[in-house]
Amino acid sequence: QVTLKDSGPALVKPTQTLTLTCAFSGFSLSTSRMSVSWIRQPPGKALEWLARVDWDDDKFYSTSLKTRLTISKDTSENQVVLTMTNMDPVDTATYYCARSPVGSSAFDIWGQGTMVTVSS
Amino acid sequence: SYELTQPLSVSVALGQTARITCGGNNVGSKNVHWYQQKPGQAPVLVIYRDTNRPSGIPERFSGSNSGNTATLTINRAQAGDEADYYCQVWDSSTAVVFGGGTKLTVL
Repeated sequence: QVTLKDSGPALVKPTQTLTLTCAFSGFSLSTSRMSVSWIRQPPGKALEWLARVDWDDDKFYSTSLKTRLTISKDTSENQVVLTMTNMDPVDTATYYCARSPVGSSAFDIWGQGTMVTVSS
Repeated sequence: SYELTQPLSVSVALGQTARITCGGNNVGSKNVHWYQQKPGQAPVLVIYRDTNRPSGIPERFSGSNSGNTATLTINRAQAGDEADYYCQVWDSSTAVVFGGGTKLTVL
């Protein structure tokens, strides 16, 4: 059974760096042709894709946020980590990690989401 | 950058057919995926690559894609189908793009 569990701090202060972790099981990011992405959703608003890391360590970033984002994978720990610098109240959102098979781009399995509030 | 346009809301009578559109420049040349999201829950993939249903998704859900419009069709709509629906594509210049979402109301 494939599962993803996203986690991170519930509250961060403006200008701080956010670190999110996606712990997954049921597949390997080093041997299977899979990708893991981060996607966020501000309260009451639409989904917004942030970043993706592929099984071969290729990385892709949202054009509008790429200067603030870093995505990495730890294959030995079955984790994907996203950092976002210089957090602002507009970054308040639920952050999801999700899996997609390479070559598909469809997100077939999602984490439950972790809500992050940016406030002083 | 590439954009996908969805209606904010669609209403359908119980048992009737709902159609949710997703507009984009030549979207027919791309693979479109559809997600269902109920309040407080993570999105669920209901259609991938235009017309394919993941296992566990009812046959009442179907998709089509041609020209500048992709469509998610829900036959015999049920109360449990009430949700937000998002379309999504991969674009070579923008990477992953989501539509703005459509709220489906079953009357």
